Amino acid sequence: DAGVTQSPTHLIKTRGQQVTLRCSPKSGHDTVSWYQQALGQGPQFIFQYYEEEERQRGNFPDRFSGHQFPNYSSELNVNALLLGDSALYLCASSPGTFGPLHFGNGTRLTVT
Amino acid sequence: SQQGEEDPQALSIQEGENATMNCSYKTSINNLQWYRQNSGRGLVHLILIRSNEREKHSGRLRVTLDTSKKSSSLLITASRAADTASYFCATDAENSGYALNFGKGTSLLVTP
Repeated sequence: DAGVTQSPTHLIKTRGQQVTLRCSPKSGHDTVSWYQQALGQGPQFIFQYYEEEERQRGNFPDRFSGHQFPNYSSELNVNALLLGDSALYLCASSPGTFGPLHFGNGTRLTVT
Repeated sequence: SQQGEEDPQALSIQEGENATMNCSYKTSINNLQWYRQNSGRGLVHLILIRSNEREKHSGRLRVTLDTSKKSSSLLITASRAADTASYFCATDAENSGYALNFGKGTSLLVTP
């Protein structure tokens, strides 16, 4: 039973570019959340998707957007990249609204 | 903003010793969770304790929760080198909706 898978594992982009990160949730999970983890910090909540809708959003600008597909997989898009967007982006899935999150291994984004 | 704060920031012990990490938070919570993260990889859920529970055990892990002091502790007994990781507390605050709020973590080093 595959857990949460994320792609790509590493990505290097230039300031101003756009990036798309992908996530497949654990089998049986319908809720996907995205977190940003800067070096030496804890994860920060970006948003959560359920039934293909953004259910809640954290304190991130509109440059961060997402999507959830009918098979529950999800994408995170970031436009107009800034140096400060360099971080580990973590996708987490869960079988419902609350409870333990299952995390993928993340996508390491470096913006130069 | 980060709801939880772990203490200490870093902890170094020898195999066989016990490791205790503390977490303080600011607002009322529904539950509190502890996660482990190995060297920049995804987080792994360890244990969840609900706001009406005071203590919970899972294998070598013991978690306590004191809602009057808004604090929790994670005890790892008989530590092993494989326990070397960062440990995060995450709160499901009553006013934060679906977002989990993570602290900055405690970095644990267990030496043989």
